[in-house]
Amino acid sequence: EPEVTQTPSHQVTQMGQEVILRCVPISNHLYFYWYRQILGQKVEFLVSFYNNEISEKSEIFDDQFSVERPDGSNFTLKIRSTKLEDSAMYFCASSDGPGWEQYFGPGTRLTVT
Amino acid sequence: GQQLNQSPQSMFIQEGEDVSMNCTSSSIFNTWLWYKQDPGEGPVLLIALYKAGELTSNGRLTAQFGITRKDSFLNISASIPSDVGIYFCAGLMGQFYFGTGTSLTVIP
Repeated sequence: EPEVTQTPSHQVTQMGQEVILRCVPISNHLYFYWYRQILGQKVEFLVSFYNNEISEKSEIFDDQFSVERPDGSNFTLKIRSTKLEDSAMYFCASSDGPGWEQYFGPGTRLTVT
Repeated sequence: GQQLNQSPQSMFIQEGEDVSMNCTSSSIFNTWLWYKQDPGEGPVLLIALYKAGELTSNGRLTAQFGITRKDSFLNISASIPSDVGIYFCAGLMGQFYFGTGTSLTVIP
């Protein structure tokens, strides 16, 4: 069964450093998403991406965040200058249509020290 | 952002019992999704609902899209230990908004 994969599973970084989180969405899906989940809290939408453009973003997704589809399979989330409060699980998801069911990856746990 | 309130917040039930949980909002949503999340893992999609009043089953799970489009319900019949986890609803209004979660513990 096709699945979304994410790397790394755990990333530790120092405050102020840049991190890139990587995702390989399900191969025939065209819509990609990033979500964040702070420990013990609900899942929060960050951004959706379609046709090489951001289609929607939340207020969390400020100028320090960016997304990219560098090739035909990868989808990345870059955090330019990490802050302590960026520590969270980051989930990538994909779907084959807007508003259709989204399938999540296993997540990357980001720890900012 | 939109608030989706799930109740109950947590449940402790005996194996074999049926479970009911719901998700409510003051806003209207076009799609409802139900996910289960185990600790340290990504949410796993259980059921998707696309029309008001729709009732959909997936094995022992049944979910309904409320007629008002402001709520959704999930039922689990004959619970088993592996049903343990956190159940999230998600409603679509432009983006998906996730609920606060219901933590389910099944006592063997």
